[in-house]
Amino acid sequence: AQSVAQPEDQVNVAEGNPLTVKCTYSVSGNPYLFWYVQYPNRGLQFLLKYITGDNLVKGSYGFEAEFNKSQTSFHLKKPSALVSDSALYFCAVRVPLTGANNLFFGTGTRLTVIP
Amino acid sequence: DGGITQSPKYLFRKEGQNVTLSCEQNLNHDAMYWYRQDPGQGLRLIYYSQIVNDFQKGDIAEGYSVSREKKESFPLTVTSAQKNPTAFYLCASSKPLAGGLDTQYFGPGTRLTVL
Repeated sequence: AQSVAQPEDQVNVAEGNPLTVKCTYSVSGNPYLFWYVQYPNRGLQFLLKYITGDNLVKGSYGFEAEFNKSQTSFHLKKPSALVSDSALYFCAVRVPLTGANNLFFGTGTRLTVIP
Repeated sequence: DGGITQSPKYLFRKEGQNVTLSCEQNLNHDAMYWYRQDPGQGLRLIYYSQIVNDFQKGDIAEGYSVSREKKESFPLTVTSAQKNPTAFYLCASSKPLAGGLDTQYFGPGTRLTVL
């Protein structure tokens, strides 16, 4: 079975410090991995995705994520956090060629950037 | 949130009533999806449609119904058979690419509350 784990419900970081939001996955094939961000009472906004190639993926708003196959992880990172980065972050995984209903979401991590 | 609109933003329903949530997209996407979001949980797929006049059940379809008569529209009806309908409902769309490379883009959501 496919699954995604976001081990931290809450991450706090001081403004200007680097941030990491963790994601690990369990799939039976080669995964496609996604990060989305959700602001209060809003829909999800796409940040970035990993399909193949370079393990370091760069996305919107200065975010990047590193795919690590041996550790089955896809952690989201940013070198310098902004207060405006405070939001709910979701990791999602898809296993290719297994149908349209195969985007599995983690439970989300709430990031709070402290001024 | 791009070219996906959902209405209404807030919806209140009495027990025993059916309600319909609207989702419209102008992105020329073929595929559309409905997800349900509950606090502390990831998104769960209700229904999806890859083409007009066709749709498939997701993981939690019981108590819901959909139609896809137009490419731009994918309304969701929450029926009285849904035992716990209070949730945040998100619509998404994507332009399917070979091998599952497409990205889903989300609308702003509808918050349904049962009184």
